Amino acid sequence: SAVISQKPSRDICQRGTSLTIQCQVDSQVTMMFWYRQQPGQSLTLIATANQGSEATYESGFVIDKFPISRPNLTFSTLTVSNMSPEDSSIYLCSVLPGSSGNTIYFGEGSWLTVV
Amino acid sequence: QQQVKQSPQSLIVQKGGIPIINCAYENTAFDYFPWYQQFPGKGPALLIAIRPDVSEKKEGRFTISFNKSAKQFSLHIMDSQPGDSATYFCAASMLSGAQKLVFGQGTRLTINP
Repeated sequence: SAVISQKPSRDICQRGTSLTIQCQVDSQVTMMFWYRQQPGQSLTLIATANQGSEATYESGFVIDKFPISRPNLTFSTLTVSNMSPEDSSIYLCSVLPGSSGNTIYFGEGSWLTVV
Repeated sequence: QQQVKQSPQSLIVQKGGIPIINCAYENTAFDYFPWYQQFPGKGPALLIAIRPDVSEKKEGRFTISFNKSAKQFSLHIMDSQPGDSATYFCAASMLSGAQKLVFGQGTRLTINP
């Protein structure tokens, strides 16, 4: 399994500002992903965080808005830039350890409210 | 092609009943179908998963039924308990590819005592 810690767990942000979410895993993992879950909705993949290279973004998500870093095999950050109320969501870090089969684990999420 | 459709959106069942949640997919390249359980304020947690080479998988009170020809799969919860009240998501991915999960819309399940 994998234990995932996300910071912050919750924040209220001003419109136009940026916030960086951190994801720390207790062991080296093969893959790391960032998802968004809007209130009462399903999960949508933002991007796959690639270690040592640029993230791979899904359709509808761009690097300028959601820059991602992954400096090593246990840590990643997601920045939500120039926030608007539409960015109010839960942002979830998830990992595929690789050593425990196909299971993808999720962190508890970072609840962002933009006012 | 990437969609996974889930139904119903919400479901209320009496304790001891058998809630059934259904999912359908289009992309025949999907070969891994997990179900996640999410409690309020928590991240999703894997409940059970199935590969298309089997038609049924059971873990405790949770069973996945899989119909490859119909491209459908479902979750059954036997002897449901109030503690099973949560939101359930089906998902699909391609194990040989980037292993990105595509999620269904979610089902909010309530088990009444």
